[in-house]
Amino acid sequence: DAKTTQPNSMESNEEEPVHLPCNHSTISGTDYIHWYRQLPSQGPEYVIHGLTSNVNNRMASLAIAEDRKSSTLILHRATLRDAAVYYCILSSGTQGGSEKLVFGKGTKLTVNP
Amino acid sequence: DAGITQSPRHKVTETGTPVTLRCHQTENHRYMYWYRQDPGHGLRLIHYSYGVKDTDKGEVSDGYSVSRSKTEDFLLTLESATSSQTSVYFCAISPGSSYNSPLHFGNGTRLTVT
Repeated sequence: DAKTTQPNSMESNEEEPVHLPCNHSTISGTDYIHWYRQLPSQGPEYVIHGLTSNVNNRMASLAIAEDRKSSTLILHRATLRDAAVYYCILSSGTQGGSEKLVFGKGTKLTVNP
Repeated sequence: DAGITQSPRHKVTETGTPVTLRCHQTENHRYMYWYRQDPGHGLRLIHYSYGVKDTDKGEVSDGYSVSRSKTEDFLLTLESATSSQTSVYFCAISPGSSYNSPLHFGNGTRLTVT
């Protein structure tokens, strides 16, 4: 299974943009890139996913490199509520479904007031 | 928020006793999942279900069994709890099995086995 690499932790300041990187150099052509986050004492929460093109939704933007070997989750204006562990996950577009999602250790984002 | 309720939210039990955790959904989603989360290991899939009475094993299924007799309920049973099963257990649901169906998680059950 293709794996992802994320920094263990990152810090940002409130109301500033945050760019969370993810490397996935062994990604296959049909793998989707998913992002989830987990706030303290809660279950993970879906953030965004994409295949090749950049994606935007109300929570965040996903920028995918042209060679797809890396991606970046962008929070446009960080708030204290965005402090969480962010998981970058790959899933095959052809083999299996959500049961194949493998959650690694993610990036712990700290937002300073 | 997706309608997922896990019960109980907290439980302390003794080694060797059976324990059942319940996940209840009001979304009528076909797929349901049980994960455990431990420090240093992230989330790991225990079992999942793709329909009533249809279940399959995940990465860490030893010592656990599941049942799904109704669409809305997915039960996780520890037949004889051990201290290594002390963990936070999360239930998740999704409308489809495809890569395009996001998982929605419950708020977890904290289980302590003494």
